[in-house]
Amino acid sequence: GENVEQHPSTLSVQEGDSAVIKCTYSDSASNYFPWYKQELGKRPQLIIDIRSNVGEKKDQRIAVTLNKTAKHFSLHITETQPEDSAVYFCAAGPSGNTGKLIFGQGTTLQVKP
Amino acid sequence: DTEVTQTPKHLVMGMTNKKSLKCEQHMGHRAMYWYKQKAKKPPELMFVYSYEKLSINESVPSRFSPECPNSSLLNLHLHALQPEDSALYLCASSQEEGPYSNQPQHFGDGTRLSIL
Repeated sequence: GENVEQHPSTLSVQEGDSAVIKCTYSDSASNYFPWYKQELGKRPQLIIDIRSNVGEKKDQRIAVTLNKTAKHFSLHITETQPEDSAVYFCAAGPSGNTGKLIFGQGTTLQVKP
Repeated sequence: DTEVTQTPKHLVMGMTNKKSLKCEQHMGHRAMYWYKQKAKKPPELMFVYSYEKLSINESVPSRFSPECPNSSLLNLHLHALQPEDSALYLCASSQEEGPYSNQPQHFGDGTRLSIL
């Protein structure tokens, strides 16, 4: 079935460094790729998304890139801050003949002060 | 502020109890979702309602029963749950849902459910 692989599962960086999280999807029909940030005990919060008609999107310190040919997309966080520490999930959709999102397994990002 | 509101925030129930989780959104979204999430795992889709009709049931056990009374409300009725059903239950909504949809899903804060 449809699958999204996310790497790495954990990532530790020093404050001020950049962090990159990568995802690969299997369903070539997917055209929507959101990223969610989930802090401990809180809801998944949409932080950025990209549609397949663009290759890159940026919002302040966060950027997402998409390579449709290779079925890869990545989240880039620059100048990381301790408050960026959270679990990040990528997702891809629609999946099959439904509007389902397929989520990656998540990346736990720790930003050390 | 959360635009998808879920109640209660916490729920502890025995295996023989019947309870309901509630979700409300006032963004005019026509698709609403129930997800189950275990700690540090991705949300796992349970049900999707599109235009108040059940469009996806991910082979969820019948002890979970969804209901969509109107376009703003979504309920999840619980009966005879098992300890392994303890999890965070998240509601989400989006403008629409379907094979050509690429609309963002917005999550509520969830109900943390514990089964004794």
